[in-house]
Amino acid sequence: EAQVTQNPRYLITVTGKKLTVTCSQNMNHEYMSWYRQDPGLGLRQIYYSMNVEVTDKGDVPEGYKVSRKEKRNFPLILESPSPNQTSLYFCASRNRGPEGYTFGSGTRLTVV
Amino acid sequence: AQSVTQPDIHITVSEGASLELRCNYSYGATPYLFWYVQSPGQGLQLLLKYFSGDTLVQGIKGFEAEFKRSQSSFNLRKPSVHWSDAAEYFCAVGASSDFGNEKLTFGTGTRLTIIP
Repeated sequence: EAQVTQNPRYLITVTGKKLTVTCSQNMNHEYMSWYRQDPGLGLRQIYYSMNVEVTDKGDVPEGYKVSRKEKRNFPLILESPSPNQTSLYFCASRNRGPEGYTFGSGTRLTVV
Repeated sequence: AQSVTQPDIHITVSEGASLELRCNYSYGATPYLFWYVQSPGQGLQLLLKYFSGDTLVQGIKGFEAEFKRSQSSFNLRKPSVHWSDAAEYFCAVGASSDFGNEKLTFGTGTRLTIIP
């Protein structure tokens, strides 16, 4: 089944403890992206990648890192999480060209 | 910079009634436009998309949307809603001038409630 897989689905952590949210897609998509969803704000792009080793900042990149060492994987790294990063995170991927994104099921992160 | 406005935060519709969700966008060139649906606890699913050509596009689950350049709008419609349509709906606009530009901007969403 064609899909974007995120792990974990739920995560509670403490301020300052480094964490990684994994994202993997099995559709051979070139483009991948991370979004966060907050009530009243919709989805905001954190980082995106247009190919292996090619990444760029979105609208809200502060406090996040990403890497794209392989085409299928696009992990999101929070080196020192803070409570304002408590949110619902989505990874998404798509093909080159005017295509819509395929989204993962989301990761609900709580930072206490 | 591109932007999307969904003026209705919450809409309540009776089952079987028609539905229209509003979306207005701001973008300098010809936009790519999308509607996504998010059921509770789920990710986003693409309902339909517009890139060019016929301004009335058909999507999944009986939804359609009409692109009106003069009004900068891309409203989503369904002639008769079902209880399973209760969800949150997001409009999004993407850059069309360069496929390499990854900018996809979402609206803040419209929550749809269906009453019997």
